[in-house]
Amino acid sequence: AQSVTQLDSHVSVSEGTPVLLRCNYSSSYSPSLFWYVQHPNKGLQLLLKYTSAATLVKGINGFEAEFKKSETSFHLTKPSAHMSDAAEYFCVVSSPSRDDKIIFGKGTRLHILP
Amino acid sequence: DGGITQSPKYLFRKEGQNVTLSCEQNLNHDAMYWYRQDPGQGLRLIYYSQIVNDFQKGDIAEGYSVSREKKESFPLTVTSAQKNPTAFYLCASSPLEGWRGYTFGSGTRLTVV
Repeated sequence: AQSVTQLDSHVSVSEGTPVLLRCNYSSSYSPSLFWYVQHPNKGLQLLLKYTSAATLVKGINGFEAEFKKSETSFHLTKPSAHMSDAAEYFCVVSSPSRDDKIIFGKGTRLHILP
Repeated sequence: DGGITQSPKYLFRKEGQNVTLSCEQNLNHDAMYWYRQDPGQGLRLIYYSQIVNDFQKGDIAEGYSVSREKKESFPLTVTSAQKNPTAFYLCASSPLEGWRGYTFGSGTRLTVV
């Protein structure tokens, strides 16, 4: 069985400061992990994905995430926040197992303070 | 460009009416999905289909129906039996190996008036 937990429902940072959105997962198999971003009234856009290659994954818009198996974490980071980063972010876990469905976290709303 | 298109963007429904939300993809993906999104609840799976003429119930299928007559199309009907249909609906598609990641449409916001 799989699960994913986004540890913060809301995160506020000032423009130009680092962003950290936390995600922990559990999976019986080697998981694939994703981060998606959703702007208001829009669909979800893939930011980055981990599928058992390099543990540090670089995505679009300056975001990156590090897969840490020992900590079962896949936190999303960005060195310097921009106003346009204000959105909701979803951490997603899946695996090749036919018994496992893709599981979405409940989302973290990122607020950028001027 | 390949993509997934949902229409309409906004939809208003009177109590007791059925409405159908459209989802079309030209990515040649085998699998398609419908999710419902409510504030603070993340995404909840309504129905999914991995092959034409076959579909499976998700976690909250009651009050909804789907069809998959063509690989490219997966329309969702919100029936009058759905007690609280006001929500944001997202369609997604993926290769049959869904664990490789989904492509999402831009969503339809349904409001009951």
